[in-house]
Amino acid sequence: GQQVMQIPQYQHVQEGEDFTTYCNSSTTLSNIQWYKQRPGGHPVFLIQLVKSGEVKKQKRLTFQFGEAKKNSSLHITATQTTDVGTYFCALPGGGNKLTFGTGTQLKVEL
Amino acid sequence: GAVVSQHPSWVICKSGTSVKIECRSLDFQATTMFWYRQFPKQSLMLMATSNEGSKATYEQGVEKDKFLINHASLTLSTLTVTSAHPEDSSFYICSASTSGGFPDTQYFGPGTRLTVL
Repeated sequence: GQQVMQIPQYQHVQEGEDFTTYCNSSTTLSNIQWYKQRPGGHPVFLIQLVKSGEVKKQKRLTFQFGEAKKNSSLHITATQTTDVGTYFCALPGGGNKLTFGTGTQLKVEL
Repeated sequence: GAVVSQHPSWVICKSGTSVKIECRSLDFQATTMFWYRQFPKQSLMLMATSNEGSKATYEQGVEKDKFLINHASLTLSTLTVTSAHPEDSSFYICSASTSGGFPDTQYFGPGTRLTVL
């Protein structure tokens, strides 16, 4: 199936540092979703972006959809230990399917 | 709202046995349910899509005779791993979506960790 690349694959940061993960698609997207999966847990829906150039914020998280609707980013300001987990973007497919990105695993050290 | 449960949360079985995993939408009717598999440190890979009352649609490379899916009602879908082998050990996650509104959101269950000895 389609593989959606996310970079970086892993990121270790010190608590308080910022973190960004990028999701890239070769095709124009109608929308993109972001999920967070804590270690041992299941994916939890974070947000959905629909409009070109859209920027949405959730507290310390900022989500951006590229102007060409082919890429997206998730930025966390001043990371905390509670931010630990793997962040996935997910692209829509036919019939409400989702194709998940490769994920970025975030580790936050005190 | 929009809670999805899975049962069991973990299971250990012997090679050659079959294992059934249930996925339930607790407070909404799910027109479509999806089954994913996730190996350690990897992404979620869609296995199949099931719609209530119809046959499941399997992704390329997923054996439909090995992974039996039944979506008997708008709140319940089951995945049966038949004649399980150690390579089937994985984290199986279901999700449910409702129709109406665009784009639809999938609500994920807590997952079932299968270990085949």
